[in-house]
Amino acid sequence: GESVGLHLPTLSVQEGDNSIINCAYSNSASDYFIWYKQESGKGPQFIIDIRSNMDKRQGQRVTVLLNKTVKHLSLQIAATQPGDSAVYFCAENPGDMRFGAGTRLTVKP
Amino acid sequence: NAGVTQTPKFRVLKTGQSMTLLCAQDMNHEYMYWYRQDPGMGLRLIHYSVGEGTTAKGEVPDGYNVSRLKKQNFLLGLESAAPSQTSVYFCASSYSIIKETQYFGPGTRLLVL
Repeated sequence: GESVGLHLPTLSVQEGDNSIINCAYSNSASDYFIWYKQESGKGPQFIIDIRSNMDKRQGQRVTVLLNKTVKHLSLQIAATQPGDSAVYFCAENPGDMRFGAGTRLTVKP
Repeated sequence: NAGVTQTPKFRVLKTGQSMTLLCAQDMNHEYMYWYRQDPGMGLRLIHYSVGEGTTAKGEVPDGYNVSRLKKQNFLLGLESAAPSQTSVYFCASSYSIIKETQYFGPGTRLLVL
């Protein structure tokens, strides 16, 4: 989930398991969403995007689900690997880009 | 392609000093952005530019100035640094401003004492 506090939500998973990271967005008019991955000491990197006319979009090992009714996004990572350890955050675009604080994913070997 | 690059990577300033952060992109993007990222918070937009010679204020513009004299470069200036400006600064660029992925630089870590 998203947080505006000092501590990011965290998710710890075992290598090989699937990960699900959630994001609640604020603006019902938002019609474009992006998931970013930010590794320690680096800038955010695009993972996958979805437009509001879709409920689901799949990439390589990642799937994004969009539930407009409850304004909720999720990012599913299949067969999580140590290299997936990072902060993941969603961005919504109702006209300009708004970024969430993110969730820290830790993958245990 | 180098993508988006930022200089310097790290800087320590004393209160009241000034400095300029440089962002360069080689993707021929029209739109460029400066964000700050503080612990536990999302990216906050400082200023942005929709093309060479243009700039506009974002969510947290106070204490910063920007210039876009060349399409590939976007400069962020701090005229009189304050401890509240201690942060990690990210530059980004995109082909268009709406509904487009932004490409980010590696960040500049700034400490103001």
